[in-house]
Amino acid sequence: AQTVTQSQPEMSVQEAETVTLSCTYDTSESDYYLFWYKQPPSRQMILVIRQEAYKQQNATENRFSVNFQKAAKSFSLKISDSQLGDAAMYFCAYELYNQGGKLIFGQGTELSVKP
Amino acid sequence: EPEVTQTPSHQVTQMGQEVILRCVPISNHLYFYWYRQILGQKVEFLVSFYNNEISEKSEIFDDQFSVERPDGSNFTLKIRSTKLEDSAMYFCASSETQAATGEQYFGPGTRLTVT
Repeated sequence: AQTVTQSQPEMSVQEAETVTLSCTYDTSESDYYLFWYKQPPSRQMILVIRQEAYKQQNATENRFSVNFQKAAKSFSLKISDSQLGDAAMYFCAYELYNQGGKLIFGQGTELSVKP
Repeated sequence: EPEVTQTPSHQVTQMGQEVILRCVPISNHLYFYWYRQILGQKVEFLVSFYNNEISEKSEIFDDQFSVERPDGSNFTLKIRSTKLEDSAMYFCASSETQAATGEQYFGPGTRLTVT
């Protein structure tokens, strides 16, 4: 069975600093996708970044980047130059190719940003 | 920017009652999803829906649950006879395409409380 684990329930970062959120997953499949979603307080979950497993290059989206280690089944999110608006719950998620869009989520990491 | 909307934001119902949770996906999206999150637990996939058929469903999605797209805009989740353990936040999502090329856009959720 596919599982996603986020071992950090809470993280804190100083504004303008860099923080890394951890995520590991377990799968025997080779075709899959990985995501980080952000859920601000009382707001919708929004996609931050996605990574296709067949791509070796790590995905980046502005201040957000991932460190994808396929052999280690690790998919961490790095947020550079943290801003107050980055404070949210962050969910790591996995999707197996051709499985009806089913996302499997981790438990979430609550990120707080200190001014 | 288009958003997925859900009504009601909070529903309280008695055990054994039927409840219908409503979602309005983004208008040009063709794929629809329901997820739930029991308090303190992971977000869990329930079902995906395309072309008026269920594409994928989880073990949670038993005979008590059904989904429907009754018209061109709404997507509903019905729970026939609610149980205490159905209390959760229910999220609707939609995407333009399936697989990871189609970003899933989430609604704000409906908090269901079964008493």
